[in-house]
Amino acid sequence: DTEVTQTPKHLVMGMTNKKSLKCEQHMGHRAMYWYKQKAKKPPELMFVYSYEKLSINESVPSRFSPECPNSSLLNLHLHALQPEDSALYLCASSQEANEQFFGPGTRLTVL
Amino acid sequence: GQQVMQIPQYQHVQEGEDFTTYCNSSTTLSNIQWYKQRPGGHPVFLIQLVKSGEVKKQKRLTFQFGEAKKNSSLHITATQTTDVGTYFCAGLSNTGRRALTFGSGTRLQVQP
Repeated sequence: DTEVTQTPKHLVMGMTNKKSLKCEQHMGHRAMYWYKQKAKKPPELMFVYSYEKLSINESVPSRFSPECPNSSLLNLHLHALQPEDSALYLCASSQEANEQFFGPGTRLTVL
Repeated sequence: GQQVMQIPQYQHVQEGEDFTTYCNSSTTLSNIQWYKQRPGGHPVFLIQLVKSGEVKKQKRLTFQFGEAKKNSSLHITATQTTDVGTYFCAGLSNTGRRALTFGSGTRLQVQP
């Protein structure tokens, strides 16, 4: 299984809502990533988990809260988001620093 | 911090023409990876280059890594409509920071 799955595919939320994005992989990868991608821009790294520990936080606002419950799962908890947070949120996994496998993404709209 | 730039930002070619995108890093890289993202899709890994001066080929695609490990290129020979998408290079710093820095991307449009 060389697939990274993400749910939901689409999410619309208000600025006062709390929601979570989910990511799963069963390739045994020990590095997992959250990226944010705006239209016509490259993926922008948010967080890196290595062996279930947060290893990189790219100064992301605290309204985004990552969680890695186990080696296969990665969540991104969202609270009090702003309209400018609307974007495609991509999860990826890799074995060490080798090729990254991306999920299909969650397209988030904040009203 | 590390920056990775790509040129051109956009290229429109006729089917059958060649295409090249160039990638330049502000710092020396440990390795460089290339990804393709189709419209509405997600980035898909194409290749990884590790050695100085390395050249790799995948059918009509040729990838090069510069001698100084700060630049790279992707050349597509005889483009096809299936080549449409945005091509990103992504560099891994040699400082030990285990995260890729994506280039700005080159969007390729192929006219049939």
